[in-house]
Amino acid sequence: DGGITQSPKYLFRKEGQNVTLSCEQNLNHDAMYWYRQDPGQGLRLIYYSQIVNDFQKGDIAEGYSVSREKKESFPLTVTSAQKNPTAFYLCASSDGKLAKNIQYFGAGTRLSVL
Amino acid sequence: GQQLNQSPQSMFIQEGEDVSMNCTSSSIFNTWLWYKQEPGEGPVLLIALYKAGELTSNGRLTAQFGITRKDSFLNISASIPSDVGIYFCAGRNAGGTSYGKLTFGQGTILTVHP
Repeated sequence: DGGITQSPKYLFRKEGQNVTLSCEQNLNHDAMYWYRQDPGQGLRLIYYSQIVNDFQKGDIAEGYSVSREKKESFPLTVTSAQKNPTAFYLCASSDGKLAKNIQYFGAGTRLSVL
Repeated sequence: GQQLNQSPQSMFIQEGEDVSMNCTSSSIFNTWLWYKQEPGEGPVLLIALYKAGELTSNGRLTAQFGITRKDSFLNISASIPSDVGIYFCAGRNAGGTSYGKLTFGQGTILTVHP
């Protein structure tokens, strides 16, 4: 099946701990994105990557880090510097070559603080 | 970061009723997208709009790209219980790069009573 796979579905973080959320896509898309979703708010962009080995900060990058070593993978690390990490995290990808490119989403990871 | 104003925030309707929701922006957009999100899942694309004035249907769903390029509308006709979910609009700024950075509305929560 072609698509975007996020893992784990649920994740718990202890105080002072870094945690990494996985995002893998087999759509051969160039661009990948990470969003944070809080109740009553729209999706807010954390980081995005247009191409391998390159990524840019989004609107709420503080306390997060990413890497893009492979086209298929765009992991997100929630660092201890992120003081309010509890949220639903969504990964998306798009074919950056097309002017009408659409973002397709994974099923999300729900992160909670212990 | 920039946000879209999506309304209404929530709707409680009876099965069989029609639904209307809209998004407005202070900026001109060259793309409008409408997504639906079910609990615990990622958003799924419903309709994509690329030209001012464009009217596009997908089954019982109809969306329009406003003439001013600053708004978009989504209508659902003859609602059914499986229409329940959160509906998001998303827009891409005119003059944006082709990688497709999107701005999302806050979402409309739709509840359908049988």
